[in-house]
Amino acid sequence: DAGVTQSPTHLIKTRGQQVTLRCSPKSGHDTVSWYQQALGQGPQFIFQYYEEEERQRGNFPDRFSGHQFPNYSSELNVNALLLGDSALYLCAEGKGSTEAFFGQGTRLTVV
Amino acid sequence: EDQVTQSPEALRLQEGESSSLNCSYTVSGLRGLFWYRQDPGKGPEFLFTLYSAGEEKEKERLKATLTKKESFLHITAPKPEDSATYLCAVRVATGNQFYFGTGTSLTVIP
Repeated sequence: DAGVTQSPTHLIKTRGQQVTLRCSPKSGHDTVSWYQQALGQGPQFIFQYYEEEERQRGNFPDRFSGHQFPNYSSELNVNALLLGDSALYLCAEGKGSTEAFFGQGTRLTVV
Repeated sequence: EDQVTQSPEALRLQEGESSSLNCSYTVSGLRGLFWYRQDPGKGPEFLFTLYSAGEEKEKERLKATLTKKESFLHITAPKPEDSATYLCAVRVATGNQFYFGTGTSLTVIP
């Protein structure tokens, strides 16, 4: 268990609102990635941060943005929420190109 | 386009009945193939990484193998606690993200 912590665990928001999800990786793991997992689907890559910079981005609109802090923790922000944004949001930590370790996720429900 | 396909979508086994899950991939330069286990409402739990064709990894009742086009996750004498969704993911040469399949939902009946 790599010890990735995500908060909150569950969240309910209304359409049009904004949400911030948080991720704290294990100490020393400098790469953080965010994924969206809809029910019954595999995780889809949103973006990856390395040394506080967005290194790569998946096919997600600009409503999805992020940030990485000097201690490697990270935030995922989603603006103008849509019903289709309801999903499990996963944070993964890693070092280099090795395997990634996932947190328990934040279940976001948009109503 | 990089693509990962898992089969079957769902599998029901009697306790002790061995079987295999399949992950086929079409990617532009494989940097690694990864197997994860996911319990309902939880994050994926890392199982194995395979890097080259012919490589095999084992852990308890699970064994993962890799060829140039697919990977198999063999489950020997499964127990009810092996019930979960098993996800396959690849990392490609042109990027750092994982491409996941949609998973195989395994149910082991006592």
